[in-house]
Amino acid sequence: EVQLVESGGGLVQPGGSLRLSCAASGFTFSSYSMNWVRQAPGKGLEWVSYISSSSSTIYYADSVKGRFTISRDNAKNSLYLQMNSLRDEDTAVYYCARLDWSPYYFDYWGQGTLVTVSS
Amino acid sequence: EIVLTQSPGTLSLSPGERATLSCRASQSVSSSYLAWYQQKPGQAPRLLIYGASSRATGIPDRFSGSGSGTDFTLTISRLEPEDFAVYYCQQYGSSPPRWTFGQGTKVEIK
Repeated sequence: EVQLVESGGGLVQPGGSLRLSCAASGFTFSSYSMNWVRQAPGKGLEWVSYISSSSSTIYYADSVKGRFTISRDNAKNSLYLQMNSLRDEDTAVYYCARLDWSPYYFDYWGQGTLVTVSS
Repeated sequence: EIVLTQSPGTLSLSPGERATLSCRASQSVSSSYLAWYQQKPGQAPRLLIYGASSRATGIPDRFSGSGSGTDFTLTISRLEPEDFAVYYCQQYGSSPPRWTFGQGTKVEIK
């Protein structure tokens, strides 16, 4: 069974930093591209970042470019999101999501971790 | 950048009724690039439909997707109590690679 379990969320002040983790199991993690998708309270879904299976290709949404860094450790079956210079508008539940082979859609999602940016 | 607009914002229906949800793209989208997700309160999104019309693993056949170009539809033939949720369409854009979502349609019990 595919499982994605996020951790690392919490309360942080504006301008602060936080590192999210996603532990994957139930599939060959090193064969799949992974993503972070977020959802502000009461709002819709927003794609944040993509990383290819080998980490050779990375993309970011314009809203986080230059502030967030995605990475992965295939030996540990883990995905990460380093978030710096956090803003109020970064407050959201952050989901890690596996990208299908295609790679047009997300076939599995974690349960999410809440990041709250507030003074 | 392609924008997805979903309508209606909220759909109030009774169990057993048919639900028709619309997703309109600001530019033509390849059918291969269009997916639908279901999200219940406090839960992660779940993939329902990919390639505009293919059901994901384990999705009941009361869910169907259709459409092409700029107009796509998710149909729930007969609403079950567990189908009341928010539904999102999503498209993949290739230049540069981006994954964008519609704003969602809430299907609520009438």
